[in-house]
Amino acid sequence: QSALTQPASVSGSIGQSITISCTGTSSDVGSYDVVSWYQQHPGRAPKLMIYEVFKRPSGVSSRFSGSKSDNTASLTISGLQAEDEADYYCCSFAGSSPFVFGTGTTVTVL
Amino acid sequence: EVQLVQSGAEVKKPGESLKISCKGSGYYFTTRWISWVRQMPGKGLEWMGRIDPSDSYTAYSPSFRGHVTISADKSLSTAYLQWTSLAAADTAIYYCAITRCSGGSCSPNFFDPWGQGTLVTVSS
Repeated sequence: QSALTQPASVSGSIGQSITISCTGTSSDVGSYDVVSWYQQHPGRAPKLMIYEVFKRPSGVSSRFSGSKSDNTASLTISGLQAEDEADYYCCSFAGSSPFVFGTGTTVTVL
Repeated sequence: EVQLVQSGAEVKKPGESLKISCKGSGYYFTTRWISWVRQMPGKGLEWMGRIDPSDSYTAYSPSFRGHVTISADKSLSTAYLQWTSLAAADTAIYYCAITRCSGGSCSPNFFDPWGQGTLVTVSS
């Protein structure tokens, strides 16, 4: 099972919106509405930001939103803030594997 | 508060065995699967496998099957990840995470919360 494809890096200025894509196949992202997103600051454990494509856990800012179209899921961060600078990973159910993570995206706040 | 606390950092030599732990608290241990995730130095997250503590049923990623063993002790509310013969390529941070879903009858599909991670260093 190959890792889901994410851009290596995305950057934006304070207050801007950015979108991180997560591309899989019809065997994972395209077949199941169970994409999740994780934020990881350096030296810290990952933190759940979005689950089941678009649902947001309590305590996570409404500036984070998720969506999916065909084989590609997306995480959008609106009103970018300095503390959003981190690595972000998507994850999807993948049938028999059964979970596969994305390659990871480093978000830089300019 | 639901929490997973992992055992401390380990330094081992190639060929040695190792078992690291992940203790759950703040919930009924047998009601949530636990997954293990590897992060090699400077690299991304890789799902290794999971266990259902209620019956110890396990599932592994093809990449890790046969190389590690996941187990759990209900009486101790603790899950384990073990190796019989470590290699330098096993040097990584290993995270455990509760694997769950949002409905009443659903297939667990996201990871929350995570343990703090256990650094395993394998070097001669």
